[in-house]
Amino acid sequence: GEDVEQSLFLSVREGDSSVINCTYTDSSSTYLYWYKQEPGAGLQLLTYIFSNMDMKQDQRLTVLLNKKDKHLSLRIADTQTGDSAIYFCAESLNAGNMLTFGGGTRLMVKP
Amino acid sequence: NAGVTQTPKFQVLKTGQSMTLQCAQDMNHNSMYWYRQDPGMGLRLIYYSASEGTTDKGEVPNGYNVSRLNKREFSLRLESAAPSQTSVYFCASSEPGRETQYFGPGTRLLVL
Repeated sequence: GEDVEQSLFLSVREGDSSVINCTYTDSSSTYLYWYKQEPGAGLQLLTYIFSNMDMKQDQRLTVLLNKKDKHLSLRIADTQTGDSAIYFCAESLNAGNMLTFGGGTRLMVKP
Repeated sequence: NAGVTQTPKFQVLKTGQSMTLQCAQDMNHNSMYWYRQDPGMGLRLIYYSASEGTTDKGEVPNGYNVSRLNKREFSLRLESAAPSQTSVYFCASSEPGRETQYFGPGTRLLVL
């Protein structure tokens, strides 16, 4: 079955880069997503990558996909205290379709 | 344009009580979803509705029922609440072929 795994916790200093990692098992996944959840709020889509891409950059965010190793990462450059949140990776077979989520990585940014 | 709205925001139930969680979206999306979020487990799909008039089970449907009342509204019912259903419940909607699901703010449910 499908399984998406993430490390539980990451702590960085303000201004450093953060790298959040995710592994997945379903090689037929078409879309891979990163969502952000701030305390007491719902999930907000940060970015996504289509499975035929290796990299996608969007301002401070860089997504890397290693399809051979089924490894996805999210790099946040110049991490700010406002980036403190839980980050979820998710996969789906089709755009806009059912998502399978990882357990979430809590990012703590220290001033 | 409110996006996805959920009511109530918080609820405390006693074991055995019933309740319905409401969800509505104003984006004219065909697909709607109910997830539960438990610590360290991410979000797990309870039920989904690919279009008005259809519903299907997700990963963890036991103890729940759903109704797709119309295109806008998708409700989740707990007939006899159990402490194991203490969780945060999220509703989401999407349009097939578009890249994102849009999430509501969540309902925090405590079953004593």
